[in-house]
Amino acid sequence: NAGVTQTPKFQVLKTGQSMTLQCAQDMNHNSMYWYRQDPGMGLRLIYYSASEGTTDKGEVPNGYNVSRLNKREFSLRLESAAPSQTSVYFCASSRDYKGEQFFGPGTRLTVL
Amino acid sequence: KNEVEQSPQNLTAQEGEFITINCSYSVGISALHWLQQHPGGGIVSLFMLSSGKKKHGRLIATINIQEKHSSLHITASHPRDSAVYICAVPPTGNQFYFGTGTSLTVIP
Repeated sequence: NAGVTQTPKFQVLKTGQSMTLQCAQDMNHNSMYWYRQDPGMGLRLIYYSASEGTTDKGEVPNGYNVSRLNKREFSLRLESAAPSQTSVYFCASSRDYKGEQFFGPGTRLTVL
Repeated sequence: KNEVEQSPQNLTAQEGEFITINCSYSVGISALHWLQQHPGGGIVSLFMLSSGKKKHGRLIATINIQEKHSSLHITASHPRDSAVYICAVPPTGNQFYFGTGTSLTVIP
C-alpha cells in the first residue's frame, strides 16, 4: 500500500498561473484534507472532505478550490497563484472525520 | 488565543535521556493525536488516544481528559528521534487545532 500520495513534489509558479495539486489514498478512507504549512506556523486547514461527495472550507480557503473526484482522490486547485501561497502543502486522509490522520509527503510550492 | 499549547518549543537532549513533551488544550475533545515531522518534512502519525496510556517501542503517550493535558515521552532517546513533535485535537465542525510543535534535537 502506498498510503497517501501527492504530486508534484516540487513546483515553481509565476504570479497569476494556475495549477492543481493531486492527492490520492489507497486506504479506503472516507475523509480527506488539504493543509498548508508555513515557517513558524502550525498546520492550517485549507479545505476538507468529510466523505465522498462533500467538501467544506477550513481555516484558510481563500484562493483555493477543491474537488473530491472519487473516494480515493482529492485535488487542490490554485486558480491564480500569488506569492502569499508559497508554502508546503500536505494532503491527509482518515477513516472517519475525527479519526487518526495519515499524511502525504507534501508539495513544496514557490510562487514568484 | 491558541487552543492547543505545547511545551517546550525547543528541546535539546543527550542521547539516552528520557524526554517529555507536553500538550495542553482548552477545547473539549474525545481524543488527541500525536504526530512526528522529520527534518525532511514528512509527517507521521504516532498515536491517537482517548484515555490512559499507549506505548509503541520507546514512545509512550498519556492523556488526562479531565485535566486537558497529554504528554509524549521518549525513553532512551536517540539522534534519530530528532524531529518536530506536534499534538492535534480532532475537528469540531471545521475547526482543526494543531500545536505549533516541539523541535527536539538529540545529540550523540
